Amino acid sequence: DTGVSQNPRHKITKRGQNVTFRCDPISEHNRLYWYRQTLGQGPEFLTYFQNEAQLEKSRLLSDRFSAERPKGSFSTLEIQRTEQGDSAMYLCASSAGTGDYEQYFGPGTRLTVT
Amino acid sequence: GQQVMQIPQYQHVQEGEDFTTYCNSSTTLSNIQWYKQRPGGHPVFLIQLVKSGEVKKQKRLTFQFGEAKKNSSLHITATQTTDVGTYFCAGPFRDNYGQNFVFGPGTRLSVLP
Repeated sequence: DTGVSQNPRHKITKRGQNVTFRCDPISEHNRLYWYRQTLGQGPEFLTYFQNEAQLEKSRLLSDRFSAERPKGSFSTLEIQRTEQGDSAMYLCASSAGTGDYEQYFGPGTRLTVT
Repeated sequence: GQQVMQIPQYQHVQEGEDFTTYCNSSTTLSNIQWYKQRPGGHPVFLIQLVKSGEVKKQKRLTFQFGEAKKNSSLHITATQTTDVGTYFCAGPFRDNYGQNFVFGPGTRLSVLP
């Protein structure tokens, strides 16, 4: 399977714990996006990378969220000191090129904070 | 602020009926994309529109980008049960702070057999 993969698929954590998610994009895709989606809503942009450079981060995003994409391949999204409001599906998407091209989404990581 | 609105929020149709969802942006977009998300699934790209007034067709689906590049529509002719899902429009927004990619809230379509 050469699609976008995300791990883990599900994560249950206690409030205050740190969690880290991984996304493996389609090989050679330059752009990688992170979104958060809650039930009944559209994906909410969190951040995106062009190769290894983080180009934008939503200004609505808490400082508890950080993302990396070392060597421009896989990416990790870390949430520190999780809160119940962080419970959501975290989606990763990748696209080819350097423009706004079609995005291929992974299956997502569902986070539940208890 | 940057907003993308979609109407209707929900649409229930009988199989064979037509369906249309409308997308409106608060600002002019350089391009607009449409995605479909099946229940329990992830968004899947349908199409990208770039030019003012552009119309594209994919079998029973017709996509249109408004002349002012601030609105778009998706029309499905003779719906089938396989059309069930939520349809999102999305586009890049640039302001003084930078760029992000904004999805609308979606239109959830259910098709009764």
